[in-house]
Amino acid sequence: AQTVTQSQPEMSVQEAETVTLSCTYDTSESDYYLFWYKQPPSRQMILVIRQEAYKQQNATENRFSVNFQKAAKSFSLKISDSQLGDAAMYFCACPSGGGADGLTFGKGTHLIIQP
Amino acid sequence: DGGITQSPKYLFRKEGQNVTLSCEQNLNHDAMYWYRQDPGQGLRLIYYSQIVNDFQKGDIAEGYSVSREKKESFPLTVTSAQKNPTAFYLCASSSGRAFSEQYFGPGTRLTVT
Repeated sequence: AQTVTQSQPEMSVQEAETVTLSCTYDTSESDYYLFWYKQPPSRQMILVIRQEAYKQQNATENRFSVNFQKAAKSFSLKISDSQLGDAAMYFCACPSGGGADGLTFGKGTHLIIQP
Repeated sequence: DGGITQSPKYLFRKEGQNVTLSCEQNLNHDAMYWYRQDPGQGLRLIYYSQIVNDFQKGDIAEGYSVSREKKESFPLTVTSAQKNPTAFYLCASSSGRAFSEQYFGPGTRLTVT
């Protein structure tokens, strides 16, 4: 079974600074995507960024980027120029199986932005 | 606007009663999912459906049932056999293509006393 581990239950960063959230995973699939989702206090899940495992280039979406290390099964999220609106729970996820079988999520990291 | 709706936002039930949570999408997605979220936990997959009239158990299906009679609807029934039903329930959908993004509804908070 797939597993996703987020070792940082909570992180705090000053506004405008950079923070990195860690994620490791284990999957038996040879081809897969990885996802970071954000859950603000409204509890609406929002996709932040996704990474295709067969691509060596790390994905980037504006201030959000990933450091994907396939051999180490590591998938960290870097948030640059942190903003107050970035405060949320962040979840790393990988597919539970092949195709559209659902996602396996980590337990999340609570990100606090200090003004 | 396209999206996923879940109703109601808050639901209260007495122990021993079955309760059905609604999930509707107008994104024309083939695949739909139900997840459960508990405090301090990530989301855990309950059931999923990749096509109408077909669905599969996820990691924590015991005490739950689903149906998929229409493409846009995927209701979840929490039965009296579910030992700890109080939780936040999230419905999601995707195109059904391999590894496609899942879009989430706003969730339903179920409290059973």
